[in-house]
Amino acid sequence: KQEVTQIPAALSVPEGENLVLNCSFTDSAIYNLQWFRQDPGKGLTSLLLIQSSQREQTSGRLNASLDKSSGRSTLYIAASQPGDSATYLCAVIDSGYALNFGKGTSLLVTP
Amino acid sequence: NAGVTQTPKFQVLKTGQSMTLQCAQDMNHNSMYWYRQDPGMGLRLIYYSASEGTTDKGEVPNGYNVSRLNKREFSLRLESAAPSQTSVYFCASSDLGQGDQPQHFGDGTRLSIL
Repeated sequence: KQEVTQIPAALSVPEGENLVLNCSFTDSAIYNLQWFRQDPGKGLTSLLLIQSSQREQTSGRLNASLDKSSGRSTLYIAASQPGDSATYLCAVIDSGYALNFGKGTSLLVTP
Repeated sequence: NAGVTQTPKFQVLKTGQSMTLQCAQDMNHNSMYWYRQDPGMGLRLIYYSASEGTTDKGEVPNGYNVSRLNKREFSLRLESAAPSQTSVYFCASSDLGQGDQPQHFGDGTRLSIL
């Protein structure tokens, strides 16, 4: 069974810092990996999707990388802002159609 | 730009009561999913429907039934609610062909079973 782990579980940084969130998965035979953002009491917003054949994806201040062979992905957030405060979830699809989620990293960016 | 719409947003039930959670998407997606999110457990798949007319069990299907009413709608039913089913329920949808299409989520239904 695919296991997805996110480290750290919580992170607090001052505004303006660059930061990295980590995600690891146990089975490298994945179709894709998605990063989501979840605000308190809200649903999940898809941030980036990396297909298994890709190494990275970028959207604005966000950059996600994928290393299938080592079972790792990172989400890099540049010049963090208080509005980036949220829980960030990593999820992979291996066999079938369903996402396998990590438990998330709770990020707080302080002014 | 409705995306995935879930109703109700909040519900309180007594043990043994039944209810149906509704989900509709307007993106013409083939696949739809029901997840539950519990503290410390992350999101887990309950049921999914790869296409209209098909449904399959996920990781935690016990105590639930689903109906893919048409391409747009996918409902989740609790026949006899139990306190262990207290959770936040999310519906999601995506295009068939899981390699390059993201899943889109609704805002969730917060369900408490007393």
